Amino acid sequence: GIQVEQSPPDLILQEGANSTLRCNFSDSVNNLQWFHQNPWGQLINLFYIPSGTKQNGRLSATTVATERYSLLYISSSQTTDSGVYFCAVERDYKLSFGAGTTVTVRA
Amino acid sequence: DTAVSQTPKYLVTQMGNDKSIKCEQNLGHDTMYWYKQDSKKFLKIMFSYNNKELIINETVPNRFSPKSPDKAHLNLHINSLELGDSAVYFCASSQRALAHEQFFGPGTRLTVL
Repeated sequence: GIQVEQSPPDLILQEGANSTLRCNFSDSVNNLQWFHQNPWGQLINLFYIPSGTKQNGRLSATTVATERYSLLYISSSQTTDSGVYFCAVERDYKLSFGAGTTVTVRA
Repeated sequence: DTAVSQTPKYLVTQMGNDKSIKCEQNLGHDTMYWYKQDSKKFLKIMFSYNNKELIINETVPNRFSPKSPDKAHLNLHINSLELGDSAVYFCASSQRALAHEQFFGPGTRLTVL
């Protein structure tokens, strides 16, 4: 099956800092999504981004499908950004998830 | 007006029991899914239904049986629960089966004692 690797596995930030999370995948995909799992366990859709660049407030994402990677940028981080960020790729009618990046933002 | 809802939110039960988790979506989507998140937070597909027909069964033990009475509902029934079934189970839906954004329910935390 398709392999999805996320880096770094853990990230500790001071409030206000910027960061970049990376997702590499091993084969061509139909779709790529970024999720934030908050401390209450809810999976929140951040981006549906099979290719190109999108921005939503302090978050933006870029997917370069031909090179099989995607980046999630968090700018001016806030404590509410803490949680686990998952990248998931769709192939063969299912999403395959990476192991996630655990982000802790300290006040 | 929750988009994807699951009941119950928490489920604590004894080994060997049979239990069900219900999922409903009000997005008008054709495709619904069950995912399992283990204790290390790894998420993995279990089943996918498109227009009430099973399209993915990802080597899940046959103690797990999904049932889709209509497009808006996908329930998960688990027989003879084992300790290893303890996990968070997420339901999701998408407009179509291929290349469409998936939306997740709040999850059901199952604990088997």
